[in-house]
Amino acid sequence: EVQLVESGGGLVQPGGSLRLSCAASGFTFSSYWMHWVRQAPGKGLVWVARINSDGGDTTHADSVRGRFTISRDNAKNTLYLQMNSLRAEDTAVYYCARDYKYYFDSWGQGTLVTVSS
Amino acid sequence: EIVMTQSPATLSVSPGERATLSCRASESVTSSLAWYQQKAGQAPRLLIYGASTRATGIPARFSGSGSGTEFTLTISSLQSEDFAVYYCQQYDTWPPWTFGQGTKVEIK
Repeated sequence: EVQLVESGGGLVQPGGSLRLSCAASGFTFSSYWMHWVRQAPGKGLVWVARINSDGGDTTHADSVRGRFTISRDNAKNTLYLQMNSLRAEDTAVYYCARDYKYYFDSWGQGTLVTVSS
Repeated sequence: EIVMTQSPATLSVSPGERATLSCRASESVTSSLAWYQQKAGQAPRLLIYGASTRATGIPARFSGSGSGTEFTLTISSLQSEDFAVYYCQQYDTWPPWTFGQGTKVEIK
């Protein structure tokens, strides 16, 4: 069974940093692209970033480019999102999702990031 | 960026009735369209991909249709567990991957 478990969320002040993790199990992690998707409170889904299977190619949404960095450690079956220079508008639940032919076939349960002073 | 627009924002339906949800793309996405269901407090779940193919374990009462810019998700006979928010997503042209704003299906 595919399992994705996010962690690392919490309360952080504006301008601060946070690193999210997504632990994967139940599938060959190193064979799949992975994504981060976020959802602000009461709002819809917004794609944040994507990484290819070996970690050599990444893409970030315009809203986070230069502040957030997606990465992965295939030896640890773990996906990361390093978030710097956080803003109030980054407050959201962050989901990791597995890419299967460019749509997202499995999702984690999410981790809440709150940016507030 | 391809903009996805869903309608209506809220759909009030009685259990056992049919629900029809619409999704429109700002330009053609061929058949690269997925639908997700999200229940309150839960992660999204893949329902449909390729505009019309049900994901593993999805009941036959869920069906998708359309291509190009116009898509429909139909729930043939609503069950209590189907009341949720539904999102469409295009994966034809990326980045970015883009979602519609969602349609909430509520009990009438």
